[in-house]
Amino acid sequence: EVQVLESGGGLVQPGGSLRLSCAASGFTFGSNTMSWVRQAPGKGLEWVSVISGNGDSAFYADSVKGRFIISRDNSKNTLYLQMNSLRAEDTAVYYCVKDANLGVWGQGTTVTVSS
Amino acid sequence: DVVMSQSPLSLPVTLGQPASISCRSSQSVVHSDGNTYLNWFHQRPGQSPRRLIYKISTRDSGVPDRFSGSGSGTDFTLKISRVEAEDVGIYYCMQATHWPGTFGPGTKVDIK
Repeated sequence: EVQVLESGGGLVQPGGSLRLSCAASGFTFGSNTMSWVRQAPGKGLEWVSVISGNGDSAFYADSVKGRFIISRDNSKNTLYLQMNSLRAEDTAVYYCVKDANLGVWGQGTTVTVSS
Repeated sequence: DVVMSQSPLSLPVTLGQPASISCRSSQSVVHSDGNTYLNWFHQRPGQSPRRLIYKISTRDSGVPDRFSGSGSGTDFTLKISRVEAEDVGIYYCMQATHWPGTFGPGTKVDIK
């Protein structure tokens, strides 16, 4: 079964950092584009970042550019999102999603930025 | 960025009756490779989104055939032929043709 499982969310103060992880299973991880999508409380969906299968290419939403870094370790079937200089508006559920057309979603991990 | 709009934003439906959601993009979402990466997602309350349809009209595995997608260029439609109780929730269209991929605001479907 194709699965992705996020971890690493929590409460962090404004200006702080957090690293999210996503463990993938049931598919050839290194052959798939992977994404992070977030959903602020009571709001819609925002595509945050995407990375190619080999990790050579990555793109970011303007809202996180320069603060977030997406990466992957294909030997560990794991996707990461390093989030720096966090702001209150980054508070959201962060979803790890498989492939460029967002075919498989994880259950999400909650990030709360608050003092 | 490509702006996605949906209508209606709220859709009360009667069980067993059809329902339709419209999605419009601010520019063509036809990719240079000839494909149109227009996808539909369903999110039940308290759950993660689930993709229902990709590339306008292809249903994902396990998606009931009462769901269908159509359209081209900038105008797209999701139809439910006979609404069932499990279909409540929010439906999002999304284009993955142009970076950044963008979602519509969502259409909330509930039972009358």
